[in-house]
Amino acid sequence: KNQVEQSPQSLIILEGKNCTLQCNYTVSPFSNLRWYKQDTGRGPVSLTIMTFSENTKSNGRYTATLDADTKQSSLHITASQLSDSASYICVVSRASKIIFGSGTRLSIRP
Amino acid sequence: GAGVSQSPRYKVAKRGQDVALRCDPISGHVSLFWYQQALGQGPEFLTYFQNEAQLDKSGLPSDRFFAERPEGSVSTLKIQRTQQEDSAVYLCASSPWTKRAHTGELFFGEGSRLTVL
Repeated sequence: KNQVEQSPQSLIILEGKNCTLQCNYTVSPFSNLRWYKQDTGRGPVSLTIMTFSENTKSNGRYTATLDADTKQSSLHITASQLSDSASYICVVSRASKIIFGSGTRLSIRP
Repeated sequence: GAGVSQSPRYKVAKRGQDVALRCDPISGHVSLFWYQQALGQGPEFLTYFQNEAQLDKSGLPSDRFFAERPEGSVSTLKIQRTQQEDSAVYLCASSPWTKRAHTGELFFGEGSRLTVL
């Protein structure tokens, strides 16, 4: 079983709509949890970072939340744009380990 | 340079050929990671360097894979006798943090896409 699991695997929404991506993890304790955005054919780029004690972190239209009790994080995208089409990867760091989820492939349709 | 640079961006190899993939990290970054990313999957860890020392190579799938970073800057990932299952994107990332103190962001290159025919 993966230590970082993401859902859904893929998602298609219309431009302007909101969406929420999920990340469930079993890594505990951890140093930080990051969400990365990976455009097609590019390397991942960090969107948000949260430490164990933080509940929420925003970066423009992206808001990440963290529930340490249920070991869940979510990434909420508001008023989606075509440029949001990408893979979103949840990454948990613990000591010397950095564990990647498989990502959610998000497609925004005009 | 301003970011992590990888070359070649695309490589097509015949089965059995050797390939070498290059990573030029952000200047001054202590840590360098190599990842393998299959289509539709997240990056899978291959190996980690702290400066010139290869501290973790637990993710290398076989002894056909070899990585080096002789002067603590540029790194090369070499794959000998390539097989079709080696087809993937190989991502390099660097960070100013050591892996043990890792709270910092990984800065990724754009990857090298390897296709083995």
